[in-house]
Amino acid sequence: GAGVSQSPSNKVTEKGKDVELRCDPISGHTALYWYRQSLGQGLEFLIYFQGNSAPDKSGLPSDRFSAERTGGSVSTLTIQRTQQEDSAVYLCASSFGTARVNTEAFFGQGTRLTVV
Amino acid sequence: AQSVSQHNHHVILSEAASLELGCNYSYGGTVNLFWYVQYPGQHLQLLLKYFSGDPLVKGIKGFEAEFIKSKFSFNLRKPSVQWSDTAEYFCAVYNTNAGKSTFGDGTTLTVKP
Repeated sequence: GAGVSQSPSNKVTEKGKDVELRCDPISGHTALYWYRQSLGQGLEFLIYFQGNSAPDKSGLPSDRFSAERTGGSVSTLTIQRTQQEDSAVYLCASSFGTARVNTEAFFGQGTRLTVV
Repeated sequence: AQSVSQHNHHVILSEAASLELGCNYSYGGTVNLFWYVQYPGQHLQLLLKYFSGDPLVKGIKGFEAEFIKSKFSFNLRKPSVQWSDTAEYFCAVYNTNAGKSTFGDGTTLTVKP
């Protein structure tokens, strides 16, 4: 597609439920990032995928968070047993990998998650 | 681990004032440098970027940034801000060795009309 697409754009869930957030990166981009942006806060790095390499999961805040990237394209971020502190905007970004010159990251519109 | 530091969390200016937002990074190797902007209610978008060559780069809307390698800095500047520049600004550094970008915590700029 023309840009990074995230779905849903908004999600309201009850505390304790599991949620799945989806990211469709730009075609051909081998790098994919997930970030979290809470109200009034900066970007919190969650996880990074690069090609077929093992993902960098160092930013995941707890074992309730997991992400996968199927076929080197679409990625899903899963939050199990959601808590109110998980409420935030979850951003996905993609870029070319190390072989490319233009390493600019392109961001999606984000998924606003509200846990009630 | 690589880190990116933005010194100012929140900057408040009047229109026509000059702007400089600081950005320092920790990685000593070859880097690509970026400033992104997030206007209220919009997604993050690229403001300007540096890959190589002239260390003074110009971006959209009159913004510019200067890469000073010896200081590991990439400060963002604009001679005269406008109310429409009110936004959050993020500095990012791409580590060409690790193949990964790291973002700063962001600076919120409020321009008073």
